[in-house]
Amino acid sequence: TQLLEQSPQFLSIQEGENLTVYCNSSSVFSSLQWYRQEPGEGPVLLVTVVTGGEVKKLKRLTFQFGDARKDSSLHITAAQPGDTGLYLCAGPHMDSNYQLIWGAGTKLIIKP
Amino acid sequence: DAGVTQSPTHLIKTRGQHVTLRCSPISGHKSVSWYQQVLGQGPQFIFQYYEKEERGRGNFPDRFSARQFPNYSSELNVNALLLGDSALYLCASLPPGAAGANVLTFGAGSRLTVL
Repeated sequence: TQLLEQSPQFLSIQEGENLTVYCNSSSVFSSLQWYRQEPGEGPVLLVTVVTGGEVKKLKRLTFQFGDARKDSSLHITAAQPGDTGLYLCAGPHMDSNYQLIWGAGTKLIIKP
Repeated sequence: DAGVTQSPTHLIKTRGQHVTLRCSPISGHKSVSWYQQVLGQGPQFIFQYYEKEERGRGNFPDRFSARQFPNYSSELNVNALLLGDSALYLCASLPPGAAGANVLTFGAGSRLTVL
């Protein structure tokens, strides 16, 4: 069974601090995605990482895919209140490219 | 352009009732996926439909069913509601082509509460 475990489950920090959240699995994924979900909304795709060791940057957000394609991290530099939300990682099911397996998410709160 | 629209946004039902949730994908998208998101958890895959055919089904009981219409809109039906069916039901629209397999655009969801 493919599982994605995210840590920490909850993180509350002050504006301007840096943070890293993690998405780990014992299974190899062909790709991993990160989404942000705000209350009352559906998840919004931030990035897709495909190649082991790949690093992608989206403004102050840096995403990394592990060399073995079993884990990923999201690093936020100088967090801002607008970064508040639920960060979810997801990867395709091994038997169905159209079915995504999701982690439970990291709830991030950035205090002004 | 309109995004993915879902209705209703919120609804309350009692155990044993049935519910129908509706989704309209982005114009030009022919595939929709349904996910269930229980509070505090990530989404769980329920169904995917493409060109009105069921392409995939997650580990959900037969009480859950769906269909897709000629205009590519979709309905999710849940019969004999249980308390555990309380969740946010998300519909995602997928663009055509294999490259779009993981490019999901979600609607805001339908929040179902079962009492």
